[in-house]
Amino acid sequence: GDSVTQMEGPVTLSEEAFLTINCTYTATGYPSLFWYVQYPGEGLQLLLKATKADDKGSNKGFEATYRKETTSFHLEKGSVQVSDSAVYFCALTPNNAGNMLTFGGGTRLMVKP
Amino acid sequence: EAGVAQSPRYKIIEKRQSVAFWCNPISGHATLYWYQQILGQGPKLLIQFQNNGVVDDSQLPKDRFSAERLKGVDSTLKIQPAKLEDSAVYLCASSLLGGRNEQFFGPGTRLTVL
Repeated sequence: GDSVTQMEGPVTLSEEAFLTINCTYTATGYPSLFWYVQYPGEGLQLLLKATKADDKGSNKGFEATYRKETTSFHLEKGSVQVSDSAVYFCALTPNNAGNMLTFGGGTRLMVKP
Repeated sequence: EAGVAQSPRYKIIEKRQSVAFWCNPISGHATLYWYQQILGQGPKLLIQFQNNGVVDDSQLPKDRFSAERLKGVDSTLKIQPAKLEDSAVYLCASSLLGGRNEQFFGPGTRLTVL
């Protein structure tokens, strides 16, 4: 079945550092790929998405590129802020008409001033 | 626009007791999902409704879990009897009908089974 693997956390960075959170997936066909973020005490929010190979999703300074050849969707940000501290989840939906999400285990990011 | 509402936000029960969670999706969203998120893990889909019909309940432990979505709006998820391993956050999400529409998540209900 479909699966998503993320790097384990926590990831601890200083403010303004460069962020990469690795995500790889296993799925048949061409799934859609997502990054969700969960801030402390809040629900999951969609951060960005990409629906086909080589698409780049971007939002709030975060970016991720859909790489079919490496089955990856790594999340990057050039300069993190303390307010980016949260748990980040990589997820996919299959290439059929359904939109059931399969999530990775999540990566906690802690940004220190 | 109001988001997905869930209640209660927290619930503590003893094992073998029963518990119910309520979800009100975003107005107009035909598709509703219940996910279970165990501490330190990603959410796992339990059941998906489209209007008041079940689309996928393959990962719902049907011997103890049940869910309904009467009238195609609000939904209730029930656990009876609860086990220790049911301790988790139960998330409700909703989306527009069809395609790969974005799912909007509620704040979740944190269940602790003692």
